[in-house]
Amino acid sequence: DAKTTQPPSMDCAEGRAANLPCNHSTISGNEYVYWYRQIHSQGPQYIIHGLKNNETNEMASLIITEDRKSSTLILPHATLRDTAVYYCIVRVASGGAQKLVFGQGTRLTINP
Amino acid sequence: NAGVTQTPKFRVLKTGQSMTLLCAQDMNHEYMYWYRQDPGMGLRLIHYSVGEGTTAKGEVPDGYNVSRLKKQNFLLGLESAAPSQTSVYFCASSYNRQVQPQHFGDGTRLSIL
Repeated sequence: DAKTTQPPSMDCAEGRAANLPCNHSTISGNEYVYWYRQIHSQGPQYIIHGLKNNETNEMASLIITEDRKSSTLILPHATLRDTAVYYCIVRVASGGAQKLVFGQGTRLTINP
Repeated sequence: NAGVTQTPKFRVLKTGQSMTLLCAQDMNHEYMYWYRQDPGMGLRLIHYSVGEGTTAKGEVPDGYNVSRLKKQNFLLGLESAAPSQTSVYFCASSYNRQVQPQHFGDGTRLSIL
């Protein structure tokens, strides 16, 4: 699976958009980009995933560059409850079990 | 609909003791996973199961055994606990589909003295 690189920490003001970058320069054509987050002491929570097109759901938007070497997770109106560690994971989608590899992620702090 | 439930939530063991962690899911998911998370680190996969009666090794399987006798339950066993197994253990489950997000429990905090 392709390796991902994320900044270790970021800050964002409450109510503003939080943009979390992820580099995955060795991504292959059949690998998806997944985002999970982990709020302190809880289990990870799935946010969104994408292959090449931009994706949006009720939680966030995912922007993937045309060459697919990087992506950005956007939380449009961050709240204090969005403070968490955000993990960007690249993984082949197949019929088999998804053996996710979690790196150290980005610790996002939303400030009032 | 409880999702993924882990029991117990906390446990303290002495070195050499054995115990079993239970994971139960009510979403009829085919796949189930056990991860461990050490301070300041991401999750690491211990074992996983693609269906009832099947198990497979993940990234860090040594010192652990698992069983999946029923589709909804996935058990993680420590036969002889060691201090290095002090960690937070997370269970997850997912459907058997091409792109299937994993749903996680809230973890079991295990300390081994």
